[in-house]
Amino acid sequence: DQQVKQNSPSLSVQEGRISILNCDYTNSMFDYFLWYKKYPAEGPTFLISISSIKDKNEDGRFTVFLNKSAKHLSLHIVPSQPGDSAVYFCADYNTDKLIFGTGTRLQVFP
Amino acid sequence: NAGVTQTPKFQVLKTGQSMTLQCAQDMNHEYMSWYRQDPGMGLRLIHYSVGAGITDQGEVPNGYNVSRSTTEDFPLRLLSAAPSQTSVYFCASSLDRASGNTIYFGEGSWLTVV
Repeated sequence: DQQVKQNSPSLSVQEGRISILNCDYTNSMFDYFLWYKKYPAEGPTFLISISSIKDKNEDGRFTVFLNKSAKHLSLHIVPSQPGDSAVYFCADYNTDKLIFGTGTRLQVFP
Repeated sequence: NAGVTQTPKFQVLKTGQSMTLQCAQDMNHEYMSWYRQDPGMGLRLIHYSVGAGITDQGEVPNGYNVSRSTTEDFPLRLLSAAPSQTSVYFCASSLDRASGNTIYFGEGSWLTVV
């Protein structure tokens, strides 16, 4: 059964510091993962992805790391900004759908 | 740019009533889908469509019906609403089923069934 787990429902980080959001998975079909960011009353928006041919992908302040042997991925945000406060979902992609984790609520305080 | 538009944004239904959540996209995307989000759970796929005239079930299809008569529209019908269908519903679209990093979501429809 394809599953994605985000074991930390919330994370609080000071502005300027690093935020690390974690995700574990089982039975991935393609080892292709995405992170989505969601503000209240809005739909999720794509943030960054990583495929199995890489173990790291960077986009500005956002870096995703993939550890296939541990079936673990993490999203690093450096430096964290108050505007990063949102719910972050990791998702495992297969042909017809995204399998989402339960989300981590990140709060960045001044 | 409208993107993915969902209506209504908020709705209260009585148990047993039926209703349709509308979803429209103006990006000429072939792939459209409906997810629901419940507290403490991630988004779960209800139904999806890979093109006009083609629909298929996702993880949680029971109690919902869909059709795809045009590329632009993908309505979700609740046949006989139940309190368990109280949720936030998101419609999504992408250019094709392989475009995992270009899935666009609507703003959501909040449904309460009493």
